[in-house]
Amino acid sequence: QKEVEQDPGPLSVPEGAIVSLNCTYSNSAFQYFMWYRQYSRKGPELLMYTYSSGNKEDGRFTAQVDKSSKYISLFIRDSQPSDSATYLCAATPFSRGSQGNLIFGKGTKLSVKP
Amino acid sequence: GAVVSQHPSWVICKSGTSVKIECRSLDFQATTMFWYRQFPKQSLMLMATSNEGSKATYEQGVEKDKFLINHASLTLSTLTVTSAHPEDSSFYICSAPVNTGELFFGEGSRLTVL
Repeated sequence: QKEVEQDPGPLSVPEGAIVSLNCTYSNSAFQYFMWYRQYSRKGPELLMYTYSSGNKEDGRFTAQVDKSSKYISLFIRDSQPSDSATYLCAATPFSRGSQGNLIFGKGTKLSVKP
Repeated sequence: GAVVSQHPSWVICKSGTSVKIECRSLDFQATTMFWYRQFPKQSLMLMATSNEGSKATYEQGVEKDKFLINHASLTLSTLTVTSAHPEDSSFYICSAPVNTGELFFGEGSRLTVL
């Protein structure tokens, strides 16, 4: 079993829809959780960062971590065609200063249709 | 945000030749840089940690004699794929942490070995 599991999709939604992206993980030591967005043929860019369980909101994006079920979610409200990208979840047991130890999911390819 | 630049963005080479990929932090200094490999529809996998002025640290299963890493300055790390073979064809991405610990990724280098 991989340490971070993510359904690769693809996921296609109409513009304006609420998107739910999910990951599960197996390592109880993971404390820090990130969501990255990766456009085609580009490097990933950090979207959201959360520590331990709870919710974090930033504009149209909400990240949610449930450590009891080892479940990570990213919600995108009022999705836009510009949100079309691959979204990668990542986790690490270490502090933010050691993000090189990130374990990535495979990424979910999202397409938002106008 | 900080900028990490990779060059070349894509390269095609013949089997048996060596290819060098550069990773530069443009507006900050990075004593540490990370190199990843991403096969199609697969996770980003950490290959090695590049340390300025000292030897790189390789992840288990990554051949250090095949993937030569040099971090000669605080803004430049290079990855040389020696005697490349078709199975080395992949998307290679570097990243570097800023002083807050947040990672910034390069745009990636797509290697195709014929």
